[in-house]
Amino acid sequence: EIVLTQYPATLSLSPGQRATLSCRASESVGSSLAWFQQKPGQAPRLLISDASNRATGIPARFSGSGSGTDFTLTISSLEPEDFAVYSCQQRNVWPLTFGGGTKVEIK
Amino acid sequence: EVRLVESGGGLVQPGGSLRLSCAASGFTFTGYSMNWVRQAPGKGLEWVSYISPDSDAIQYRDSVKGRFTISRDNAQRSLYLQMNSLRAEDTAVYYCVRDTWHYWGQGTLVTVSS
Repeated sequence: EIVLTQYPATLSLSPGQRATLSCRASESVGSSLAWFQQKPGQAPRLLISDASNRATGIPARFSGSGSGTDFTLTISSLEPEDFAVYSCQQRNVWPLTFGGGTKVEIK
Repeated sequence: EVRLVESGGGLVQPGGSLRLSCAASGFTFTGYSMNWVRQAPGKGLEWVSYISPDSDAIQYRDSVKGRFTISRDNAQRSLYLQMNSLRAEDTAVYYCVRDTWHYWGQGTLVTVSS
């Protein structure tokens, strides 16, 4: 099973700041990596597919990069609604796996 | 509008069974694979199972193999998860997710406890 490690576990930032979230895979997943945002009591929302493709309706301040084992989600300038938990997911091999999540909280 | 509505969750004793359902609308159900994903209270997301559009490809995570069965009824536009021999560690919100992962249901809570 591919293990996805996300870091940091918590990111404390202020609105307007840049957020950089990392996801490292225990073996290569190519570009088959997605990012999700989840707020309390809500289902996850797809942000990025295939490492760098923004999903429909996702603001341009969200961007994804990376391939192989190291991936990054960047939020260029945090809006109040961006404070949430972000999870990465690999879809390269079964079983599909998720990272443990990074919580972006208001500083 | 794409809608996925789960039902069937509840409180069950260890060793018991539950059948989750997911009613799909707003898209061509037969055109998409489907997944079940769960989230234990306060924990991260965990993929559970996958089924292809015509049910000829099915996958499970190891911890549920032999206990859970995924199925679908394309005529009824419904996805199912039959869960047997339930354990405390199966306690979670279970989400129905359309492949491409853009669309998730609201989730149904399964609690396994005596």
